[in-house]
This record gives sequence, C-alpha cells and structure tokens, in this order.
Amino acid sequence: GAVVSQHPSRVICKSGTSVKIECRSLDFQATTMFWYRQFPKQSLMLMATSNEGSKATYEQGVEKDKFLINHASLTLSTLTVTSAHPEDSSFYICSARPQVRDQPQHFGDGTRLSIL
Amino acid sequence: SQKIEQNSEALNIQEGKTATLTCNYTNYSPAYLQWYRQDPGRGPVFLLLIRENEKEKRKERLKVTFDTTLKQSLFHITASQPADSATYLCALMNSGYSTLTFGKGTMLLVSP
Repeated sequence: GAVVSQHPSRVICKSGTSVKIECRSLDFQATTMFWYRQFPKQSLMLMATSNEGSKATYEQGVEKDKFLINHASLTLSTLTVTSAHPEDSSFYICSARPQVRDQPQHFGDGTRLSIL
Repeated sequence: SQKIEQNSEALNIQEGKTATLTCNYTNYSPAYLQWYRQDPGRGPVFLLLIRENEKEKRKERLKVTFDTTLKQSLFHITASQPADSATYLCALMNSGYSTLTFGKGTMLLVSP
C-alpha cells in the first residue's frame, strides 16, 4: 500500500532552535500534502495544506512565519518550526493524498517535538 | 458549526466479540468518510473509505456502514483480537475534496 515517510520521528532541542521535519511519499506522487498537529487525547488539527510548486494554505490561527512549509516536488514537503518555544512542543503528522482526488490520504508516523 | 462526534469513552470488549464504533456528524455533506487506526505515538493508518453513495463496505474482519440520512457511520470489527486494541478515528472529506476533518477517536480495548 501507499507509504509516507516522515523524518525525524523525535526531536528534543533547546528553545530558540529551528527544526525541520520532512515528509516524503515513497510510492506515489502527491500534488497535495497536509500538516497536522495533535495534542494528547485530542483530534488531529489541520495546520496547513501544502501544494506542489505554490504557497501553502494555512488554517486560521496558524502562524505562517512560525511554521514554514515548502513543497518542492511531488514527493517531498517540509515543515520548519522556526525559533521553537516550549509551547510548540507537540506531535506533528504529515499526510499525502494521491493525485486521484477520491483516494485516501496516507499518513507519516509523526514527529514528537519537545522544546526544552 | 460542523461537528464530528465519536464516543469519547473507551470501548472494552472481550476477544472474539464484535466491536462496533460510532461516528456521527452534523452540518456536513461529506463526499466520503474514512476510518483510520492510530496506535500510541504513531500516525494514523488508513483502513476503509466509503463514498456518500455507498451503504456498506467490507474488508476482511472490518465492515463500515454509512447512512447519510442519519448522518452516521458504524465501524465493526468482527472476531476481535487483542491486537485490534487501538484508537479508531473517523474522518470526513468535504464535498469540495479540499479538507479531511477528524473526530477525536474512540479507544478500543480488547481483552484476552
């Protein structure tokens, strides 16, 4: 089945550091990728939609200057958390959707970000 | 406002029984509905997709029903096993095929 690879799986770093998370679709091309954030026992909250070759669309309340998204190719999107602070600590998950629109989204295994 | 509701309390059942999880939604006209499984510290894993013009879908021990009049989907796992223990998420794709919205999930615990 479709595979989405997300890296790294876990990051622990100091406040003020910028952290880059990569999301790759391994066996299909994804025009659209999505970035979610999940707090313990909560639902996945969509942060932004990333379209290949164009600017990302951010959900209300998500700071675009804090969460930089780049979707340089049909198989790679990156999320950079700039100048991270403890409140940015969370579980970040990416997903990719095949180019056929009524096919399911497939998810990466998430990145646990801990800012000290 | 749009809402997706899943039972917030964990569902405890015995091995071999059928587990039934519920997903209700309001103020939504979904193009399709999906069910995912999520284990602690992992990303969601896709299980089944059912379109708005479909009533039922099956895959091995899994069955999903979709009632757009009741605005409800039921997710069944027959002959449940302890390995089925996980959180199950319901997600709806809007009619514009732009946004997939998730419920909070229901935790299923299958005891041996």
